[in-house]
Amino acid sequence: KQEVTQIPAALSVPEGENLVLNCSFTDSAIYNLQWFRQDPGKGLTSLLLIQSSQREQTSGRLNASLDKSSGRSTLYIAASQPGDSATYLCAVRPIKAAGNKLTFGGGTRVLVKP
Amino acid sequence: DGGITQSPKYLFRKEGQNVTLSCEQNLNHDAMYWYRQDPGQGLRLIYYSQIVNDFQKGDIAEGYSVSREKKESFPLTVTSAQKNPTAFYLCASTDGQGAITEAFFGQGTRLTVV
Repeated sequence: KQEVTQIPAALSVPEGENLVLNCSFTDSAIYNLQWFRQDPGKGLTSLLLIQSSQREQTSGRLNASLDKSSGRSTLYIAASQPGDSATYLCAVRPIKAAGNKLTFGGGTRVLVKP
Repeated sequence: DGGITQSPKYLFRKEGQNVTLSCEQNLNHDAMYWYRQDPGQGLRLIYYSQIVNDFQKGDIAEGYSVSREKKESFPLTVTSAQKNPTAFYLCASTDGQGAITEAFFGQGTRLTVV
């Protein structure tokens, strides 16, 4: 059974510092991996989708890498801002799962201090 | 604007009462999903539907029911059989197949038992 882990569960950094968020998964047989942002009391906003054949994806200050063989993905947020404070979740789409289902990690809660 | 609309944003349920959460999408996606989010437990899949008039149980379907009569709509009913319904409920939809499948989420409904 696929398991997804995000460590640490919470992270606090001063404004301007680069953020590094980790996601690990146990089964490398995935179609893709998706990173989401969730603000308190809100839904999930998709940040980046990395297909299994890709090594990384970039969008503005965000860069996500994928090492499928080692079961790891990292989300980098450059020059963090207080507006980046949120919970970040990663999710994988296992090949063996019916219905295009996602398996989620528990999330990393990020606080960027001014 | 294309997206997923969940309503209501807040819902209060009395003991023994059934309530229905609405989820509507105008993204023309075939697949739709219901997740439950509890503090410290991540997202858990309740039900999903890959096509109109067809749906499957997820990991925690007991005490819930769904219907998929239209492509755009996937309502979730929380029945009196659900013993601990207080949670944040998220609806999602996906496009494509395999590696290009990307999930999009609504803004959520917070259900509280009073």
